[in-house]
Amino acid sequence: GAGVSQSPSNKVTEKGKDVELRCDPISGHTALYWYRQSLGQGLEFLIYFQGNSAPDKSGLPSDRFSAERTGGSVSTLTIQRTQQEDSAVYLCASSPYRTGADGYTFGSGTRLTVV
Amino acid sequence: DQQVKQNSPSLSVQEGRISILNCDYTNSMFDYFLWYKKYPAEGPTFLISISSIKDKNEDGRFTVFLNKSAKHLSLHIVPSQPGDSAVYFCAASAENYGQNFVFGPGTRLSVLP
Repeated sequence: GAGVSQSPSNKVTEKGKDVELRCDPISGHTALYWYRQSLGQGLEFLIYFQGNSAPDKSGLPSDRFSAERTGGSVSTLTIQRTQQEDSAVYLCASSPYRTGADGYTFGSGTRLTVV
Repeated sequence: DQQVKQNSPSLSVQEGRISILNCDYTNSMFDYFLWYKKYPAEGPTFLISISSIKDKNEDGRFTVFLNKSAKHLSLHIVPSQPGDSAVYFCAASAENYGQNFVFGPGTRLSVLP
């Protein structure tokens, strides 16, 4: 497709369950970013993939969060043992190599609700 | 502590008038600033940027002003149109690439017909 695709668009899960969020970036974009937006907060950086380099995981809030990017394309963000404070909109973005944030293309996000 | 602040969660403006959205930051190392616009159920899209070597950048109805000494920037929309109704995010970074952009919490603009 022409844009960044995220699935599911909405996810309601019970506290303690694991969830997987998927991001399909624009073909050819080497950089992929995960952000989340909690209520009343800005976009919080989570993790950054650039080509085959080791990802920058410095934004992951706890070891319950992990992400992988297979074949330099699709990425999956996994949250284990979800907590209510994990409720947020999770946004994925991709960009060409060494592009500033003016070159990001964001997906429409996954709204995660932990009940 | 938020490094990028947008102290007005919402703003309402009459169609045809000027919209002014404000953003303040705390990190003096920030040199690149962007505004993103987000419609409901869509991802944010890039709107306009400015680097610290300039104090103004204009693109059509949109102008961004930067006051480095005050660590303040603003986005002016003139004239405002109902289609401008969206959430506007300010973002800042010390360098214009990579993952180091810090986003503010956003301001919801409503342009009333």
